[in-house]
Amino acid sequence: AQKITQTQPGMFVQEKEAVTLDCTYDTSDPSYGLFWYKQPSSGEMIFLIYQGSYDQQNATEGRYSLNFQKARKSANLVISASQLGDSAMYFCAMREYNDMRFGAGTRLTVKP
Amino acid sequence: KAGVTQTPRYLIKTRGQQVTLSCSPISGHRSVSWYQQTPGQGLQFLFEYFSETQRNKGNFPGRFSGRQFSNSRSEMNVSTLELGDSALYLCASRLENRPVAFFGQGTRLTVV
Repeated sequence: AQKITQTQPGMFVQEKEAVTLDCTYDTSDPSYGLFWYKQPSSGEMIFLIYQGSYDQQNATEGRYSLNFQKARKSANLVISASQLGDSAMYFCAMREYNDMRFGAGTRLTVKP
Repeated sequence: KAGVTQTPRYLIKTRGQQVTLSCSPISGHRSVSWYQQTPGQGLQFLFEYFSETQRNKGNFPGRFSGRQFSNSRSEMNVSTLELGDSALYLCASRLENRPVAFFGQGTRLTVV
């Protein structure tokens, strides 16, 4: 069974608009962490945002926010005011026990 | 502060050969993980090292091995290369008590 599911293989957004990338997860570990990474065509994985399972408030980092709904096991990434440089692959990931697992990714394209 | 450095960036090897990839973590980070990224399988966890000890291992054959040195630098070795080993190999480092891992730019290995 998939531990991390990203249902949107590709997304388009107009520059300056907001976009939400979906992520659902499955774990039995009560203490887990959720991450979003960005991977431009250069290949490097760039850390964007982190949410711990016990964190009460949704994480925010500049234009990035994580919409954490624990009961629904979802951790969607919201990017506000999209920029052309946001075009990239976005990966949702989860650390449970000592394991780190990644979703299949969503390719985001920002249109001018 | 220097980021995670992986060398070499690109590598072409012949089937049956072996290869060694290197990863220098961020200064002060003692945990190093390795991942394989392919179009078909996505990002898969290979292994994690901490203080020269392998802490966790993914579901890969014994041809994939790694080690970590006392300065936290890590190497991974793949013996008897197969065409399917062609991939982007990513290394990540983190502080022991912090959840967030920071990635290098990766080594793109092509097996011909």
